[in-house]
Amino acid sequence: KQEVTQIPAALSVPEGENLVLNCSFTDSAIYNLQWFRQDPGKGLTSLLLIQSSQREQTSGRLNASLDKSSGRSTLYIAASQPGDSATYLCAVIFRGPGGSYIPTFGRGTSLIVHP
Amino acid sequence: DGGITQSPKYLFRKEGQNVTLSCEQNLNHDAMYWYRQDPGQGLRLIYYSQIVNDFQKGDIAEGYSVSREKKESFPLTVTSAQKNPTAFYLCASSISRSSGTDTQYFGPGTRLTVL
Repeated sequence: KQEVTQIPAALSVPEGENLVLNCSFTDSAIYNLQWFRQDPGKGLTSLLLIQSSQREQTSGRLNASLDKSSGRSTLYIAASQPGDSATYLCAVIFRGPGGSYIPTFGRGTSLIVHP
Repeated sequence: DGGITQSPKYLFRKEGQNVTLSCEQNLNHDAMYWYRQDPGQGLRLIYYSQIVNDFQKGDIAEGYSVSREKKESFPLTVTSAQKNPTAFYLCASSISRSSGTDTQYFGPGTRLTVL
């Protein structure tokens, strides 16, 4: 059974810092990996999706990398802002019974960026 | 507007009652998912459907039921057999049942409280 772990569980930093959020998974036979943002009491917003054949994806100040062999992904946030405060979730998609694609989520990293 | 809608936003249930949570999407997506989120936890998969009239159990299906009679609708029933139903419920969809490369899109969630 695929397990997804996110470290750290919580992070509080001053504005302007560059941040690294980590996601590890136990089964390297993944199909893709997705990073999400969740604001309190809200649904999830997709940030970046990395296909299994890719090594990284970038969107603005966000960069996500994927190393399947070591079972790790990293979300890098450059020049953090108070508006980045949210919970960041990592989801791994793997192949399940009958050829279906099953997502497994980590518990998330709760980020606070203070002015 | 295209997207995923969930209703109601808040739902209160008495013990022993069944309740149904609505999830509708107008994105023409094949795949739909139901997740449960508890405080400080990641998302846990309840049920998923890759195509109309077909669905599979996720990790925590006991006490829940679903139907997929139409492509755009995937209602979730929380039955009285679910021992601890108070949680935040999220519905998601993705484009293709045959691809592991597409993004999941989430609804705003329904918060269920058992009185």
